[in-house]
Amino acid sequence: AQKVTQAQTEISVVEKEDVTLDCVYETRDTTYYLFWYKQPPSGELVFLIRRNSFDEQNEISGRYSWNFQKSTSSFNFTITASQVVDSAVYFCALRSRGSTLGRLYFGRGTQLTVWP
Amino acid sequence: DVKVTQSSRYLVKRTGEKVFLECVQDMDHENMFWYRQDPGLGLRLIYFSYDVKMKEKGDIPEGYSVSREKKERFSLILESASTNQTSMYLCASSRDRGNIQYFGAGTRLSVL
Repeated sequence: AQKVTQAQTEISVVEKEDVTLDCVYETRDTTYYLFWYKQPPSGELVFLIRRNSFDEQNEISGRYSWNFQKSTSSFNFTITASQVVDSAVYFCALRSRGSTLGRLYFGRGTQLTVWP
Repeated sequence: DVKVTQSSRYLVKRTGEKVFLECVQDMDHENMFWYRQDPGLGLRLIYFSYDVKMKEKGDIPEGYSVSREKKERFSLILESASTNQTSMYLCASSRDRGNIQYFGAGTRLSVL
């Protein structure tokens, strides 16, 4: 079975704070992909990153960084020096080799609010 | 850039009406998906399609059907809309299995 858990339903921070969004996944497959998407108030989900299960290197892109740890089945997302424009719902998703036709399994999302 | 276009941003329908939600992608993607998004429940997969005229049920197909007559277009049909189908509907497409899914802006449907 494939499952993604985002335990944090809502997070509020003040601008310039760092914030980490947690993602824990479950799969029996050894080959899988993990994704993060951002959904701003406009509604469209925007792809942020994809990692495969064989690449545990952390990734940094500007103020965004991702920490992939297979030992704890986690793929956490950190925003450094948060800005108001980071306010959005963030979804973590999983696709494993056993997923039918490439479907994704999404977590329930974390609503991030960054106050000025 | 990949473009996934959903025909309506907002839609209001009455109970019992037949409702069509249209989705078009311009990147010749093989796979297309329909999700609904409800507060606290995240995205739930309704149906997906991996080729013209092919479809697969997702997790919550009851009350919905789909049509894919052309590669670029994937329609979601509510045969007889009910109030519990009031939701945000999101369409997505991907080039092939396991590839990145690209999403449309969503259709917020209200069934009165």
